This record gives sequence, C-alpha cells and structure tokens, in this order.
Amino acid sequence: AQSVTQPDIHITVSEGASLELRCNYSYGATPYLFWYVQSPGQGLQLLLKYFSGDTLVQGIKGFEAEFKRSQSSFNLRKPSVHWSDAAEYFCAALFSGGYNKLIFGAGTRLAVHP
Amino acid sequence: DAGVIQSPRHEVTEMGQEVTLRCKPISGHDYLFWYRQTMMRGLELLIYFNNNVPIDDSGMPEDRFSAKMPNASFSTLKIQPSEPRDSAVYFCASCERGPYGELFFGEGSRLTVL
Repeated sequence: AQSVTQPDIHITVSEGASLELRCNYSYGATPYLFWYVQSPGQGLQLLLKYFSGDTLVQGIKGFEAEFKRSQSSFNLRKPSVHWSDAAEYFCAALFSGGYNKLIFGAGTRLAVHP
Repeated sequence: DAGVIQSPRHEVTEMGQEVTLRCKPISGHDYLFWYRQTMMRGLELLIYFNNNVPIDDSGMPEDRFSAKMPNASFSTLKIQPSEPRDSAVYFCASCERGPYGELFFGEGSRLTVL
C-alpha cells in the first residue's frame, strides 16, 4: 500500500543545533515528495517539494531536503535551528496513479530548547 | 488574497446535532480539498473537488458526512447527525492545478462533539 512513514514522533533539539527529520515512502515508482510545517493553531505551509532532477532541494526558512532513491527517503534538514522552528512537520507524497491524493505521514513534533 | 478562509474556527455541539463547516478557497484555484486531522489517524483526505465537481469522496467516513461546492468560491462539509468520534480539526485546502504545486491550507475548524 502507498504510505509515508515518519519514524520520529517527537524530536527535541537545542537552539543552534542541526536538525534532520526522517521520512520514508513505500517502495515503487518515485512519488512527488513534499514537506509541510504546521505551527500551533495554524494550517499547513509548504516548505519544499521534489519532483525530479537535483536530489537536494532548497526550501523556505533555511530548510533543505535530500531525496535518496536507494533508501526511499526524503529527509528534511536545517543546519542551525531557531526557536521559531518549533512546530509539527509533515512529509507527504503524491504517488503515480494517486489521482491528486496527497498522502501525509503522521508528523514529527519538533521542540527547541533555548 | 486573504488565503483560504474557514468558518467557524471552533464549534462545540452535542451529539446528534447537525454541523456545517464552511470554506472559501483562494480565488482562481481549481482544486479544493477537505482534510480531517486527529491524534489517532493524523491527516486524512475526506473529499476533493475539481472545478466544483466532486472527484473522489472515498475518504468520507460514512453517510453522515456530505460535502458540496455550489460555486468556485464556496464549499461546505456537513455532518448530520454528529457523533463524539467526529471531534477533530477539519482543514480546507486549495490549489491551482492539483497538488503538484502548493496546497494552501486554511486555519482549520476545530469541532468538539459532546
């Protein structure tokens, strides 16, 4: 079945530390891949997306993500986390034949310590 | 543009009552999606419309749920009768040409059914 897995439910990092959030998708044809962020009480906002080409994609707010076909992964990274990055992060995929149905992972809640 | 507008932001009702959630998508967006977010099930796609026509409603939980899009600027999600297990945050999102681009989310309607 088509699915998106985010293995980490909660992650805590110190401000200024680097961050990596993991995302794996079910095997098969490479889907279109997305990372969204949700601040408390808000809707989701697109951080970045990958369709094809360069496997390292840059997004807003200093985030980047790397697509690795061999690992069916699309991990989100940031070199130095700011307190304002505390939020919930969702990986999502649009699978071939998915008819516009964006499938979301369960989310990773990020806490940032001062 | 004001973004995707949802109302009400919060709704508390009693079991058995009818609930209507409203959404105004971004002008010019051809696609509209209704999602439900719960702790247990994460983000689930309920239904989506293209050019006001329902395309896929396979995510609608049961016949108590219905959605309409009478014109390009308005959609409703109705639950009748409501049950406590319907308590969730309901998000509306819109995009221009399918979710290959960016999905713009509203701030959500938090529903509590007592």
